[in-house]
Amino acid sequence: QKEVEQNSGPLSVPEGAIASLNCTYSDRGSQSFFWYRQYSGKSPELIMFIYSNGDKEDGRFTAQLNKASQYVSLLIRDSQPSDSATYLCAVMIQGAQKLVFGQGTRLTINP
Amino acid sequence: GAGVSQSPSNKVTEKGKDVELRCDPISGHTALYWYRQSLGQGLEFLIYFQGNSAPDKSGLPSDRFSAERTGGSVSTLTIQRTQQEDSAVYLCASSSSYTDTQYFGPGTRLTVL
Repeated sequence: QKEVEQNSGPLSVPEGAIASLNCTYSDRGSQSFFWYRQYSGKSPELIMFIYSNGDKEDGRFTAQLNKASQYVSLLIRDSQPSDSATYLCAVMIQGAQKLVFGQGTRLTINP
Repeated sequence: GAGVSQSPSNKVTEKGKDVELRCDPISGHTALYWYRQSLGQGLEFLIYFQGNSAPDKSGLPSDRFSAERTGGSVSTLTIQRTQQEDSAVYLCASSSSYTDTQYFGPGTRLTVL
C-alpha cells in the first residue's frame, strides 16, 4: 500500500461546479496535511494545510480532514478554468520532517 | 518578498559528468529540503537540513548524490557520474522553524544525455 494515495484522474468538472479531490494515507500518526497545486511545467504551489479534524475554509477552497478514516479532501467551489492543474496531496510522516506526496490528481475545468 | 530560488533553471549534461544544483531558501527559513520529480514517479524526498543538525539523507538514491548547506543558508546538491535515470526536475523547498509548511522553488530541470 502506498503511503499517500490519490486518484490520478483526469477529473473533469464543468465551470462553476464543485471539484472534489480525495486523498488517503497509511500512517495513522501523521499530523500535518497539505494540498499543493501544480501547473504543467511549474513547481508545486501551496493551496491549503490542515492539522485538525474537520473543515478548513479559505476562499473557494475547503480542506477536510478525517483522521479516524485517514482521509483528507479538497473541495473547490465555483470552479474556474484557471483551476485546471494537477493537485498534490502531501502528508508529513510522524517522526520525520519530510513530505510524502501522492501521485497527484489532474483536474480539468471545462468552460 | 523573495521566494526560494534555484539555479540553473535547466541543465543538460552528458552521461558520466558531475553536476551541481543550487538552492537559496527564503530568508530566515531554517529548514531546507530537496525533492526530485520524475515523469510518472511523483515527487520523492531526497534530503533535509535543519539548522546546524545533521541532515536527514534517507532519501538519497545512491552514493553518487550528496548535498551540503553552507552557513545555514544556500544548499548545493551534487550528482556525480550522472546517469540517464537521473533526468528529472530537482525541487528545493524551505520552511521556517515555526511551521511544517514548505514552499517550493521553481526547480532545476536536469537532462542527462
